Amino acid sequence: QKEVEQNSGPLSVPEGAIASLNCTYSDRGSQSFFWYRQYSGKSPELIMSIYSNGDKEDGRFTAQLNKASQYVSLLIRDSQPSDSATYLCAVNMNTGNQFYFGTGTSLTVIP
Amino acid sequence: KAGVTQTPRYLIKTRGQQVTLSCSPISGHRSVSWYQQTPGQGLQFLFEYFSETQRNKGNFPGRFSGRQFSNSRSEMNVSTLELGDSALYLCASSLSPRGTDTQYFGPGTRLTVL
Repeated sequence: QKEVEQNSGPLSVPEGAIASLNCTYSDRGSQSFFWYRQYSGKSPELIMSIYSNGDKEDGRFTAQLNKASQYVSLLIRDSQPSDSATYLCAVNMNTGNQFYFGTGTSLTVIP
Repeated sequence: KAGVTQTPRYLIKTRGQQVTLSCSPISGHRSVSWYQQTPGQGLQFLFEYFSETQRNKGNFPGRFSGRQFSNSRSEMNVSTLELGDSALYLCASSLSPRGTDTQYFGPGTRLTVL
């Protein structure tokens, strides 16, 4: 079992819809969770971080964390074509900066 | 503030050669991590340096090594290159090694091994 798993997609949603991206992780003791966006040919850029159970909202983005189910998700409301990218889930499983990344979910927003 | 910089951006080597990649973190950032990104495996953690000390190491062979200098700049070295080492190598910096600070990624070095 991989440390962090994501559906690779591709996920296609129409413009204005909600995109839902999911991620599961193996280490129950994990404390820090991050969502990155990576455009083709570019490096990852941070969208959100979440550390506590529940929801965290930032503009059109909402991260949800459920440590009991070892599950973290990212919702993108009012999806825009510019949101088309690969979304990477990253989990920190120790107290240092060793992050485990999922293989990413490719999202396409159709105008 | 300038972002994370990596040099060179592109590199072509042949099997058996060695290569050194460089990373300059954001000013004030003292933790530097290295990742390998390939289409099949995604982003995989190589190692992390803080205060010139390697704090964590991923599951890579000993051909992969790194170091950090007193100004927080870091280098990684790959010896005896193999075809499978072809990848995008990403460096990320953060303020501290606590694991809760944001990691900022550089543009990467695209290594092609022929």
